[in-house]
Amino acid sequence: EDKVVQSPLSLVVHEGDTVTLNCSYEVTNFRSLLWYKQEKKAPTFLFMLTSSGIEKKSGRLSSILDKKELSSILNITATQTGDSAIYLCAVGRAFLRAGNMLTFGGGTRLMVKP
Amino acid sequence: EPEVTQTPSHQVTQMGQEVILRCVPISNHLYFYWYRQILGQKVEFLVSFYNNEISEKSEIFDDQFSVERPDGSNFTLKIRSTKLEDSAMYFCASRDRGTGNYGYTFGSGTRLTVV
Repeated sequence: EDKVVQSPLSLVVHEGDTVTLNCSYEVTNFRSLLWYKQEKKAPTFLFMLTSSGIEKKSGRLSSILDKKELSSILNITATQTGDSAIYLCAVGRAFLRAGNMLTFGGGTRLMVKP
Repeated sequence: EPEVTQTPSHQVTQMGQEVILRCVPISNHLYFYWYRQILGQKVEFLVSFYNNEISEKSEIFDDQFSVERPDGSNFTLKIRSTKLEDSAMYFCASRDRGTGNYGYTFGSGTRLTVV
């Protein structure tokens, strides 16, 4: 059974701090790892990672995949209150028929205090 | 920016009643999905749909569930006889051909409450 585990479960930091969120996975036919930010409702896409060791960056957020360790980290530098959300990690399998379902982790709830 | 639209945003139904959750995927997308998230739990895959048929489904998606694309734009999830444990946020998603996981766009969800 595919498994995606995120840590920590929750995190409280102050504005300006740097945080690192972790995701580990056990998935057959791994294709990609995705990070999403979930505020009120729908998950919004942050990054997709398919290759080990290549950092993806978007502003203060960055992420990297380690296929050897079956894990990924999401870094947020200089955190702001607007970063408060649940961060979801999801893993996609190689195309099987046309399904391509995602398996999600339980999320890390980040709260950034002013 | 194109959006996946879901209606209603919140539905309350009596146990045993049928519900239909509606989704309008992004117009040129070819793959459609339903996921659900029970309060406080993980987002779980229910079903994927391509070329007018189910391509993959999870164990959750039993005989009480069905999906349909009735008119080429809407994508619906029907629960025939709702149970209390069906209470969850239901997310529709769509994806374009060839974009792999990157092209997944989620709708804002329908919160289903079964009483």
